[in-house]
Amino acid sequence: AQKITQTQPGMFVQEKEAVTLDCTYDTSDPSYGLFWYKQPSSGEMIFLIYQGSYDQQNATEGRYSLNFQKARKSANLVISASQLGDSAMYFCAMRELGGSQGNLIFGKGTKLSVKP
Amino acid sequence: GAGVSQTPSNKVTEKGKYVELRCDPISGHTALYWYRQSLGQGPEFLIYFQGTGAADDSGLPNDRFFAVRPEGSVSTLKIQRTERGDSAVYLCASSPGASSTDTQYFGPGTRLTVL
Repeated sequence: AQKITQTQPGMFVQEKEAVTLDCTYDTSDPSYGLFWYKQPSSGEMIFLIYQGSYDQQNATEGRYSLNFQKARKSANLVISASQLGDSAMYFCAMRELGGSQGNLIFGKGTKLSVKP
Repeated sequence: GAGVSQTPSNKVTEKGKYVELRCDPISGHTALYWYRQSLGQGPEFLIYFQGTGAADDSGLPNDRFFAVRPEGSVSTLKIQRTERGDSAVYLCASSPGASSTDTQYFGPGTRLTVL
């Protein structure tokens, strides 16, 4: 079974509008972390935002926020006021702390295209 | 400060050859990870180092793949008898430690093409 599911292979958004990228996860480990990375065409993975499983509040970092719904096992990324430079692949990832050594498990990604 | 660097950025080799890919982590980071990213996929874990030792190599696909980190800093991923299926982008990441809050910072990757 897939541990990280990103159901949107591609998304379009108009510049200056908000967009939500979906991510659901599957784990039986009570202690885990959720991460979002951006990968532009240059290939480098850029860290955006982190949410811990015990965090009470949703994480925010500038224009990025994470809509964390623990009971639904979802960790959607919200990008507000989209910019042309936001066009990239976006990956959701999870780190389980129970029995692993901390490696990240990635989804297949969502390609976001921002239209002018 | 300097981020994670990887060399070479591109490597083209012939089937059956041996290749080495290098990763230079962020200074002071004790944890180092190697991932492989095939076209259209997310990165897949290969191996993790804590200090000099390989703490988890469960992601290495077979015994043709090996990695070292002799002094706890630079790491080298070694692939013997390369096959066309090894073609991918190999990503290295480092983090201060391996706790739940430690973010992994990635290098630009090495694109390996096996002809």
